[in-house]
Amino acid sequence: GQQVMQIPQYQHVQEGEDFTTYCNSSTTLSNIQWYKQRPGGHPVFLIQLVKSGEVKKQKRLTFQFGEAKKNSSLHITATQTTDVGTYFCAGPDGGSNYKLTFGKGTLLTVNP
Amino acid sequence: NAGVTQTPKFRVLKTGQSMTLLCAQDMNHEYMYWYRQDPGMGLRLIHYSVGEGTTAKGEVPDGYNVSRLKKQNFLLGLESAAPSQTSVYFCASSFPPARGGKNIQYFGAGTRLSVL
Repeated sequence: GQQVMQIPQYQHVQEGEDFTTYCNSSTTLSNIQWYKQRPGGHPVFLIQLVKSGEVKKQKRLTFQFGEAKKNSSLHITATQTTDVGTYFCAGPDGGSNYKLTFGKGTLLTVNP
Repeated sequence: NAGVTQTPKFRVLKTGQSMTLLCAQDMNHEYMYWYRQDPGMGLRLIHYSVGEGTTAKGEVPDGYNVSRLKKQNFLLGLESAAPSQTSVYFCASSFPPARGGKNIQYFGAGTRLSVL
């Protein structure tokens, strides 16, 4: 079945450093979504990318969708303690319109 | 607007006991999902529903049953709890892409279940 892999599994940074997490799918995706889960919280939708090569920004967060629509990345510039949490990517499961396959996530911790 | 509400928030069970987790959403979403989250395993889909009266198996359905008698509610049942079912359970809901929802999933706060 479809697999969505994320690296790294963990990342610890000093506040102010940049952070990047990568997401790779075993199949071409029609779209990819990113979610953030704060410690002890629940996943919250951040963004969806649909077009090949698409780049979207949300303040210090930059999301990219690969040209082949099989990979994606999330880059955070100048991390803050409020960025702490687990970042998940998710893509349609086997082309399904109603199921998502989530990556295992990247846990980001930030040292103030 | 409450969004997705899960009850209970915490529960401790003994092996062999049964329980039902309730998920309620007030966003008129067609799709509803139950996931479990374990350390290092991400979110794994247990069961899902694409509409009232319909359910389907996800990635890890064994030991669980579900029902969607009303559009706004999705129940997850554990008939005979096992220690392997100790986990955090999340319910989610979404509009179908056909309604422009892009299948963006809205999650509840979770139920933390321990089976001893």
